[in-house]
Amino acid sequence: EDQVTQSPEALRLQEGESSSLNCSYTVSGLRGLFWYRQDPGKGPEFLFTLYSAGEEKEKERLKATLTKKESFLHITAPKPEDSATYLCAVGGATNKLIFGTGTLLAVQP
Amino acid sequence: DAMVIQNPRYQVTQFGKPVTLSCSQTLNHNVMYWYQQKSSQAPKLLFHYYDKDFNNEADTPDNFQSRRPNTSFCFLDIRSPGLGDAAMYLCATSRDMGYEQYFGPGTRLTVT
Repeated sequence: EDQVTQSPEALRLQEGESSSLNCSYTVSGLRGLFWYRQDPGKGPEFLFTLYSAGEEKEKERLKATLTKKESFLHITAPKPEDSATYLCAVGGATNKLIFGTGTLLAVQP
Repeated sequence: DAMVIQNPRYQVTQFGKPVTLSCSQTLNHNVMYWYQQKSSQAPKLLFHYYDKDFNNEADTPDNFQSRRPNTSFCFLDIRSPGLGDAAMYLCATSRDMGYEQYFGPGTRLTVT
């Protein structure tokens, strides 16, 4: 069964304190791994797609990496505006996205 | 900017009173999805349309129906809302199955 587990459930950082969020997955025939940002009361905002192990993508202070079992979202020198829930999802042989429950990130000034 | 639009953003309905939520897209994507998301939970896929082909998830209650009259619009009908149907309803689109999905801002449904 396709499954996505994100850790930690919640993370509190000081502004400038770099850290990583984890997304572990099991999927039949990985088509892509997707990262989203979701602000309270809003829909998820697409960040990255990773297709194969070893791939990396960057956007501002965010960098996503992928192995055969997990993905990391690295946040370098975060700012308060990076506070949000970060969702990971995998697309497999069913062509549907399986979402994790997210990591709630709070960055304090 | 190409986007996914949902209306209304907030909807209050009474127990058992039918309600319709709408979604439109300017991305010209083939696939449109409806998700239900409750607090601190992952989005749960209700159904999707690939072009005009409707695909229902096995565990989606019969109380939920959908219509896609054309490429740009999709509607979610809840025939008899219960208190357990209070949630955020998210519409998403993708150019094809398995590709990244783009979400609208969501409709927050309250059932009184």
